[in-house]
Amino acid sequence: EAGVAQSPRYKIIEKRQSVAFWCNPISGHATLYWYQQILGQGPKLLIQFQNNGVVDDSQLPKDRFSAERLKGVDSTLKIQPAKLEDSAVYLCASSGITGLSSSTDTQYFGPGTRLTVL
Amino acid sequence: EDKVVQSPLSLVVHEGDTVTLNCSYEVTNFRSLLWYKQEKKAPTFLFMLTSSGIEKKSGRLSSILDKKELFSILNITATQTGDSAIYLCAVLGADGLTFGKGTHLIIQP
Repeated sequence: EAGVAQSPRYKIIEKRQSVAFWCNPISGHATLYWYQQILGQGPKLLIQFQNNGVVDDSQLPKDRFSAERLKGVDSTLKIQPAKLEDSAVYLCASSGITGLSSSTDTQYFGPGTRLTVL
Repeated sequence: EDKVVQSPLSLVVHEGDTVTLNCSYEVTNFRSLLWYKQEKKAPTFLFMLTSSGIEKKSGRLSSILDKKELFSILNITATQTGDSAIYLCAVLGADGLTFGKGTHLIIQP
């Protein structure tokens, strides 16, 4: 079974530049999550999609972060402009067909994109 | 390609039992191994292990890493119903973070 795909794997940018990450979930998974992971801490949920609708974006810094999942399949996360504190690993995960927001459906994680902001 | 395998995939025990969850890995340029507890949305960070043979403890949870045999275990003693969750193991290597599929732990009263 193909897993969650993310690209790029690494990105180095200067502060105030823009960056975009792409995620392709496991085929058939209705729910897609974007997380920001600082190592040594738990991943912080940025946004959760159910198909092409947003279920939870309460922790997304909307002044600089945006995300979309227009056709309910793959998704992009954008940061514009980036700040030094945005340096982290950005993880995408997807979960299966039930996709209930309060469920414990297993989330399958992609390899992440490691962002360094200089 | 980096690989993380967790076992068992699911486990049902009674309250008060002790459980051991396993995580084995094949990773290029190993840096650290992380354990998470996932109940609803974002996984909760439990431990980060980088050195072999040093046990990390937090209450009833403990974990140890064996870098020679390429595995880690997560122990939970005197389990409670609140321990029911999916436990994720992830390894940081040259390819970034690689997650296992998780162990779905159910604690019955």
